[in-house]
Amino acid sequence: AQSVTQLGSHVSVSEGALVLLRCNYSSSVPPYLFWYVQYPNQGLQLLLKYTSAATLVKGINGFEAEFKKSETSFHLTKPSAHMSDAAEYFCAVSIKAAGNKLTFGGGTRVLVKP
Amino acid sequence: DADVTQTPRNRITKTGKRIMLECSQTKGHDRMYWYRQDPGLGLRLIYYSFDVKDINKGEISDGYSVSRQAQAKFSLSLESAIPNQTALYFCATSDLGGLTFGSGTRLTVV
Repeated sequence: AQSVTQLGSHVSVSEGALVLLRCNYSSSVPPYLFWYVQYPNQGLQLLLKYTSAATLVKGINGFEAEFKKSETSFHLTKPSAHMSDAAEYFCAVSIKAAGNKLTFGGGTRVLVKP
Repeated sequence: DADVTQTPRNRITKTGKRIMLECSQTKGHDRMYWYRQDPGLGLRLIYYSFDVKDINKGEISDGYSVSRQAQAKFSLSLESAIPNQTALYFCATSDLGGLTFGSGTRLTVV
């Protein structure tokens, strides 16, 4: 079975600073990997996804993530945080053999300080 | 109109009551899912359906049931609600590219 671990349930960054959210996965077969964002009182919105093409994936709102098979990681980054990036972020994994059902990490809440 | 619509948005119910959460989608996707969200636990899969005749249990299906009335409709029922089912519930649909979520139903069982 696949699983996801997100390191850090809360992250605080200053506006303009680098955002780095860590995600490690466990899967016995090549995975698909996703990052979702949840703004207050809203559902989850897809930020980006890795589906076995390029290992560096660019998403919406200036975010990107790099798939590193040797480290079983899929960390999310953004060079310069904006106040509007304050939200909760979820990493998720799926595999074709499991019908592409997503397994989610516990989430990381990002606070952006002015 | 939203691609995935959940009703109600908020609900408070008493222990032991039966409650149904409804979900409809306009994406035309065959696959639909119900997740619950709890702080620090992320989203956990309750039930999923790959088409109208295909219903499957997720990792936390105990205490829940579902009905896939049509390709576009997938409802979740709590037969006898208990307080630890207080959570935020999300319906989602997918093609192979990822999930599209509804806005969620916040359920409180008192």
